[in-house]
Amino acid sequence: DAKTTQPNSMESNEEEPVHLPCNHSTISGTDYIHWYRQLPSQGPEYVIHGLTSNVNNRMASLAIAEDRKSSTLILHRATLRDAAVYYCILRDNNYGQNFVFGPGTRLSVLP
Amino acid sequence: GAVVSQHPSRVICKSGTSVKIECRSLDFQATTMFWYRQFPKQSLMLMATSNEGSKATYEQGVEKDKFLINHASLTLSTLTVTSAHPEDSSFYICSARSGTTNTEAFFGQGTRLTVV
Repeated sequence: DAKTTQPNSMESNEEEPVHLPCNHSTISGTDYIHWYRQLPSQGPEYVIHGLTSNVNNRMASLAIAEDRKSSTLILHRATLRDAAVYYCILRDNNYGQNFVFGPGTRLSVLP
Repeated sequence: GAVVSQHPSRVICKSGTSVKIECRSLDFQATTMFWYRQFPKQSLMLMATSNEGSKATYEQGVEKDKFLINHASLTLSTLTVTSAHPEDSSFYICSARSGTTNTEAFFGQGTRLTVV
């Protein structure tokens, strides 16, 4: 599986935008980029995913570099509830493949 | 989004006893379910993958006789921790997906197992 690299931790102030980076220099052409987050003592929660084009949904935006070797998850206005561990995961477009979780980025949101 | 329900959310058991954890997909048919384990301050580690009606595939280092997985229907998978020991204390999380390729996976809320 292609690997991802994320900063161990980041801090943000409440109501400010947050840009969470992810490097995936060995991404293959069929790898989708998925983002999940895990709040304390809960299972992971889907955030967003994409292949080549930037994606937006009600939770976040995903900006994918033109060469696809990196991506950025953007939270437009961080809230205290966004404090979580964010995981950037690559998954090939193969049926049944599981998600391989790295250490992720622990986001702290300061009031 | 789809809902995956995991039960119980937390359980305490005595050493040597067995514990069953249930994972249900409430509004979709889960052809594949995954079981993960997460120790404190660590990431999720895949334990096994189960497809409905067939035997589970276990990751290297996971004892299949200790962690029994049953996926008897398209909406239910169970993980039984047999002869539990304190080192089995962990956060167990299930995940389910439908047959469509590259859809997002849906995760249960996790089960905190404490073996005393």
